Amino acid sequence: AQSVTQLGSHVSVSEGALVLLRCNYSSSVPPYLFWYVQYPNQGLQLLLKYTTGATLVKGINGFEAEFKKSETSFHLTKPSAHMSDAAEYFCAVRDTGGGNKLTFGTGTQLKVEL
Amino acid sequence: GAVVSQHPSRVICKSGTSVKIECRSLDFQATTMFWYRQFPKQSLMLMATSNEGSKATYEQGVEKDKFLINHASLTLSTLTVTSAHPEDSSFYICSARGGRNEAFFGQGTRLTVV
Repeated sequence: AQSVTQLGSHVSVSEGALVLLRCNYSSSVPPYLFWYVQYPNQGLQLLLKYTTGATLVKGINGFEAEFKKSETSFHLTKPSAHMSDAAEYFCAVRDTGGGNKLTFGTGTQLKVEL
Repeated sequence: GAVVSQHPSRVICKSGTSVKIECRSLDFQATTMFWYRQFPKQSLMLMATSNEGSKATYEQGVEKDKFLINHASLTLSTLTVTSAHPEDSSFYICSARGGRNEAFFGQGTRLTVV
């Protein structure tokens, strides 16, 4: 079984400040890890993913995430927040054992203030 | 990235009627499609997984006779909410996966049953 925990259902940052959204996972096999962004009344857009190889993954819109196996974490960061980053962010895990299912965290609402 | 089109984006229907939601992969062949349900301010809950030409696999607690899924071709899956009731009101999102083993999401459908 696999699960995802996103600490903090709401995060508020000032424009230009560092964005840090936390994600911890549990999985019985090495996982694939994903971050998605959702704008109101829209579907999900993939920000980045980790499958194998380099543990620091760069995605779209200046976001990046680092897979830390020892901490079972995959936190999402962006050096400088922009107003357009305000959205809901979901961390997800999929096992590498041939399963197809994505398991999502409960999401983090990011608010960016002037 | 690949495009998944979901239609309609919004639908209001009367209690007792049925509603069909379409999910199309526009520029790739989707061997597997997923249907999710999202309640307000909550995460996505997987309802079912469908592979082209075979019956859908439903998650525990999802009524297969109420949520009919058809995956008739490699580019189209449909979800029909039968005899809809107000408690079926929700945001439904489809996801399609092709040969690259990456899932792409539709824009979602806001269903309101009155």
